[in-house]
Amino acid sequence: GDSVTQMEGPVTLSEEAFLTINCTYTATGYPSLFWYVQYPGEGLQLLLKATKADDKGSNKGFEATYRKETTSFHLEKGSVQVSDSAVYFCALSDQGYSTLTFGKGTMLLVSP
Amino acid sequence: SAVISQKPSRDICQRGTSLTIQCQVDSQVTMMFWYRQQPGQSLTLIATANQGSEATYESGFVIDKFPISRPNLTFSTLTVSNMSPEDSSIYLCSVDGTVTREAFFGQGTRLTVV
Repeated sequence: GDSVTQMEGPVTLSEEAFLTINCTYTATGYPSLFWYVQYPGEGLQLLLKATKADDKGSNKGFEATYRKETTSFHLEKGSVQVSDSAVYFCALSDQGYSTLTFGKGTMLLVSP
Repeated sequence: SAVISQKPSRDICQRGTSLTIQCQVDSQVTMMFWYRQQPGQSLTLIATANQGSEATYESGFVIDKFPISRPNLTFSTLTVSNMSPEDSSIYLCSVDGTVTREAFFGQGTRLTVV
């Protein structure tokens, strides 16, 4: 079945540091890939998505590129802020956009 | 976008009891989804709820343990029945944003069973 593996957290960074959160997946067919973010006390929010190979999703300075050859969708940001502290979930869907398979989530802690 | 309100946001319950979680959406949606996030684990889909029909459960989840109601196009409930400490999780409601093609989530219900 489908699965998503993302790096264990927490990831602790200083403000303005470069961020990478690794995500790899296993799926049949050609899934759509997503990053969701959960800020403290809030629900999950879609951060970015990519629907086909080599697509790059981007939002709020975050980027991720759909790499079919390495089955990866790593999340990157050039300069993190304290307000980026949250839990980040990598997810995929091969049945439309609503039925998602999630990774375990990676907590990001950014200090001033 | 869809705004989803989930109640309660958290609860502490005694084993053997049941808890009903409510999910209210600010617009009509065809499908609603219930997920569970156990401590340190991924979100796992419990079931899909369509209005006017019985919910469709994923492998490992059964209606007797997680009965779901979907009385109209904006509301659903998930009941966690005969709870045990293993049911301690975050339960999330989700809907399909048909226009934007993304899933929207409530803020979740953090359940602790003692």
